[in-house]
Amino acid sequence: KAGVTQTPRYLIKTRGQQVTLSCSPISGHRSVSWYQQTPGQGLQFLFEYFSETQRNKGNFPGRFSGRQFSNSRSEMNVSTLELGDSALYLCASSLDGLHMNTEAFFGQGTRLTVV
Amino acid sequence: AQSVTQLGSHVSVSEGALVLLRCNYSSSVPPYLFWYVQYPNQGLQLLLKYTTGATLVKGINGFEAEFKKSETSFHLTKPSAHMSDAAEYFCAVSDAANAGKSTFGDGTTLTVKP
Repeated sequence: KAGVTQTPRYLIKTRGQQVTLSCSPISGHRSVSWYQQTPGQGLQFLFEYFSETQRNKGNFPGRFSGRQFSNSRSEMNVSTLELGDSALYLCASSLDGLHMNTEAFFGQGTRLTVV
Repeated sequence: AQSVTQLGSHVSVSEGALVLLRCNYSSSVPPYLFWYVQYPNQGLQLLLKYTTGATLVKGINGFEAEFKKSETSFHLTKPSAHMSDAAEYFCAVSDAANAGKSTFGDGTTLTVKP
């Protein structure tokens, strides 16, 4: 069974640009969560999507957005990039993210560098 | 709001020694608790989880953790460290209503000395 796939693995962008990251969950998984990992702030929850709807949201500015498609693939978008957005962005998928089906499988992440 | 505190950002043990990584949580509702391991430039891998039932949870690679409600703790242990256990470990908390949203601790880097 294929794992969670995140593309691209590495990305370099310039301040002010926008970026789109992609996450393909494990087949059959309907919940996709996104996290930002930085040395200073650690792992912080961005948002969770389930059945194409945002179900949970963290405390990030509106420049961070996401969506989920009918095949459960998810994208996150960051507009007007800032230097502080440089981070490892991790995607996690689970069956439904509820009750006993909470086991989340993480992708390898996308390393975003803003210059 | 939920929170996780991992005591000790760095832990060093000798190969074969006991591994103990500490995690305390705060949650106003019954928590779901997790331990993850992360190797350099990799995503997170679930070691074990507690949702309900038995408070002593066994995970992969010989790790286990015990949920102690009275102490609000979920410490991770392994009887005998192996060189391959060197990595960063994260404790996380969520709950039944927000299981897709986990709050993570700051992580503990485990070093294993030969």
